Amino acid sequence: SQKIEQNSEALNIQEGKTATLTCNYTNYSPAYLQWYRQDPGRGPVFLLLIRENEKEKRKERLKVTFDTTLKQSLFHITASQPADSATYLCALDMNDYKLSFGAGTTVTVRA
Amino acid sequence: DGGITQSPKYLFRKEGQNVTLSCEQNLNHDAMYWYRQDPGQGLRLIYYSQIVNDFQKGDIAEGYSVSREKKESFPLTVTSAQKNPTAFYLCASSPRDQPQHFGDGTRLSIL
Repeated sequence: SQKIEQNSEALNIQEGKTATLTCNYTNYSPAYLQWYRQDPGRGPVFLLLIRENEKEKRKERLKVTFDTTLKQSLFHITASQPADSATYLCALDMNDYKLSFGAGTTVTVRA
Repeated sequence: DGGITQSPKYLFRKEGQNVTLSCEQNLNHDAMYWYRQDPGQGLRLIYYSQIVNDFQKGDIAEGYSVSREKKESFPLTVTSAQKNPTAFYLCASSPRDQPQHFGDGTRLSIL
């Protein structure tokens, strides 16, 4: 079965710095990969989707890369702000409408 | 406003009792999903439905049941057969091969 690993459960960074989150997967070749943000006690909110034939995707201060050879996606938050503090989840397309989610990385941005 | 509404926000279950969690969407999405989230773990798929009157088991369907009689509604019943029901339950919907939209969850606890 597929396995999804997100680097370290928690990441603490200084405001203004870049946060880099890692999502590694095994035993599968997804057609696309998604990143979501989840705040405490709330449902996840979609951020970015990147397809297998795309190397990089950007949205404002967010950047996602997708390396199908390494089976890895990197998620970057540039010029981080305290409001970026949340848990970030990666999710792999499993075909047939389904997604498989990682456990998430909790980011805390210090002012 | 379009979105997904989950109710109640908090729910308590007594021993041997079935409880039903509500999920309603007005986004006109074909697919709907139920996930369970436990601390430190990713979202695990319980059931999903691609069209009305049809649904499939996810990875952890034992002890749960669903129905999809209307496009807008996908209620989840946690039966007495589910021995460890305490968790955060999330409902989502999506068009085919598109990002999922989540509700704000129901937190179920045992009395």
